[in-house]
Amino acid sequence: EVQLVESGGGLVQPGRSLRLSCTTSGFTFRDYAMSWVRQAPGKGLEWVSFIRTKPYGGTAEYAASVKGRFTISRDDSKGIAYLQMNSLETEDTAVYYCCRDTPNIVVLPALDSWGQGTLVIVSS
Amino acid sequence: DIQMTQSPSSLSASVGDRVTITCQASQDISKYLNWYQQKPGKAPKLLIYDASNLEAGVPSRFSGSGSGTDFTFTISSLQPEDIATYYCQQYDDLPYTFGQGTKLEIK
Repeated sequence: EVQLVESGGGLVQPGRSLRLSCTTSGFTFRDYAMSWVRQAPGKGLEWVSFIRTKPYGGTAEYAASVKGRFTISRDDSKGIAYLQMNSLETEDTAVYYCCRDTPNIVVLPALDSWGQGTLVIVSS
Repeated sequence: DIQMTQSPSSLSASVGDRVTITCQASQDISKYLNWYQQKPGKAPKLLIYDASNLEAGVPSRFSGSGSGTDFTFTISSLQPEDIATYYCQQYDDLPYTFGQGTKLEIK
């Protein structure tokens, strides 16, 4: 069974940092890209960041709203994806979901499995 | 960025009704569209991928169709447990983008 478990959320002051972790099991982590998606309270879904697999360069992409502040990374030996969030703003308050993504949309769909989410509240 | 326009934003229907939600992309996304179901306090659940493929374990009353820019999601016979918010999402190109959601209620 595919499982993704997020951790690291909490209450943080504006301008501070937080690192989210996504611990996975039930699939070969190194074969999949990973994404983070967030949902502000009472709002819709917003894609945040994506990291490719090593064969595709292991490179990352970001939403314009977080580019330069957030950094996604992965540890294939541990099956964990991370989201380092710096210079947090009140608008970053949301539930953050870790999602299994595809290395190739021709072969597999994107965002086919989601974690339960972790809540980040940015407030003074 | 590709804009996804989903309608309606809310929908009230009776048990047993056929329910249809539409999603329009601002440019051709081929078949690269997902449909999700989200219940309150829960993560989204993938129902349909590649516009028309049913995810394993999803009841057959759910279906999807379309390609290019126009897509449709259908529940053939609404059940009480289908009460949720439904989202479309394109993955033809980054940034992935979502429709604004359709909140489905029982009449």
